[in-house]
Amino acid sequence: AQSVAQPEDQVNVAEGNPLTVKCTYSVSGNPYLFWYVQYPNRGLQFLLKYITGDNLVKGSYGFEAEFNKSQTSFHLKKPSALVSDSALYFCAVRDDASGSARQLTFGSGTQLTVLP
Amino acid sequence: KAGVTQTPRYLIKTRGQQVTLSCSPISGHRSVSWYQQTPGQGLQFLFEYFSETQRNKGNFPGRFSGRQFSNSRSEMNVSTLELGDSALYLCASSLEVWLAGALKGNEQFFGPGTRLTVL
Repeated sequence: AQSVAQPEDQVNVAEGNPLTVKCTYSVSGNPYLFWYVQYPNRGLQFLLKYITGDNLVKGSYGFEAEFNKSQTSFHLKKPSALVSDSALYFCAVRDDASGSARQLTFGSGTQLTVLP
Repeated sequence: KAGVTQTPRYLIKTRGQQVTLSCSPISGHRSVSWYQQTPGQGLQFLFEYFSETQRNKGNFPGRFSGRQFSNSRSEMNVSTLELGDSALYLCASSLEVWLAGALKGNEQFFGPGTRLTVL
């Protein structure tokens, strides 16, 4: 079975400071990892993914994520936060080892608030 | 390229009624997944369709059903609505990318959702 944990329900950061949103995962095989962002009353927007290759993945809007296999983590980062980054962030995983590999499992979400 | 569209955007129903929600995927995407999002349970997977066949199903009662048409458009139906069915229902489509016999890329692209309120 595959699972995702986002240990922080809420993250507050001052504008201009670096931000980190944490994610850890559990899979049987190799993980395919994704980050999505959701603004109020909107659907989820795809930010970035890790399939294979470099552990540092760059995505949309200046976001990046670092894959760490030994720590089973895939933390989302941005060097300098903007007020407009305030939103709900979801980490998701797919396990390539199971027959239901196409199904994504989402974390519980982390509300990011960037303070001006 | 147009994104995933969902209709209607908002819906108000009463207990015991049934409802049908519609989703049009991105052109060329044959996989369509449905999710229920609530404040208490988060994002929960309902089911996934590919080429008119249900490939995966989440842990929801039989009142929740779906189908996919030959043009990849999908509908989901909820019968005998309950108050707890009030939620944002999200549809997502994906393009499956296979490499050397393995499924590699299939990030999902989400629609804006249908906000269902059951009174």
